[in-house]
Amino acid sequence: GAGVSQTPSNKVTEKGKYVELRCDPISGHTALYWYRQSLGQGPEFLIYFQGTGAADDSGLPNDRFFAVRPEGSVSTLKIQRTERGDSAVYLCASSRQGGNEQFFGPGTRLTVL
Amino acid sequence: GENVEQHPSTLSVQEGDSAVIKCTYSDSASNYFPWYKQELGKRPQLIIDIRSNVGEKKDQRIAVTLNKTAKHFSLHITETQPEDSAVYFCAARRYNTDKLIFGTGTRLQVFP
Repeated sequence: GAGVSQTPSNKVTEKGKYVELRCDPISGHTALYWYRQSLGQGPEFLIYFQGTGAADDSGLPNDRFFAVRPEGSVSTLKIQRTERGDSAVYLCASSRQGGNEQFFGPGTRLTVL
Repeated sequence: GENVEQHPSTLSVQEGDSAVIKCTYSDSASNYFPWYKQELGKRPQLIIDIRSNVGEKKDQRIAVTLNKTAKHFSLHITETQPEDSAVYFCAARRYNTDKLIFGTGTRLQVFP
């Protein structure tokens, strides 16, 4: 079946702009995760959803970052007033109810100029 | 806070040799430890995992060992092949959450 997909694959924006990154999880997966991966580093947890609600948003770095999952499927990560330090690959993952394995998407490479 | 340290950061081996990557975690409430492989420009993929009620798990050429007392876990790859070349990440998960805390990664190069 189809894996986790993310759009766009690449996003270049200017400092101060607003961006939205989209994640389509594997069909039927109830949990959805957002991570951020900087060059040469491991994925860094941002937020995860169980269904429509954010179960843990402790990894969001500040209030410029926000994520939604209104229907319990697709999720959007929103970044306001982007800064150069936001440049990274944003990874999305999903897992089934009660499952351990997190299946990752290909990521969105965000570059803030 | 929660932290996972991973060593070495780079590892070069000859084809056929073994490779060992080690991780240490700080949160004693962690009970699940997956290992992900990430090839250049690709998504991370789970290769093996272990739960805290088990000391060792093996899957063909790959094995993981866990020492709960020392809060160490290791990945062992035997008979390495060039296609094993990638970045490997360990991670830990606390019993009452689903978020993963990742190590900083090990770049493994297997030379033919």
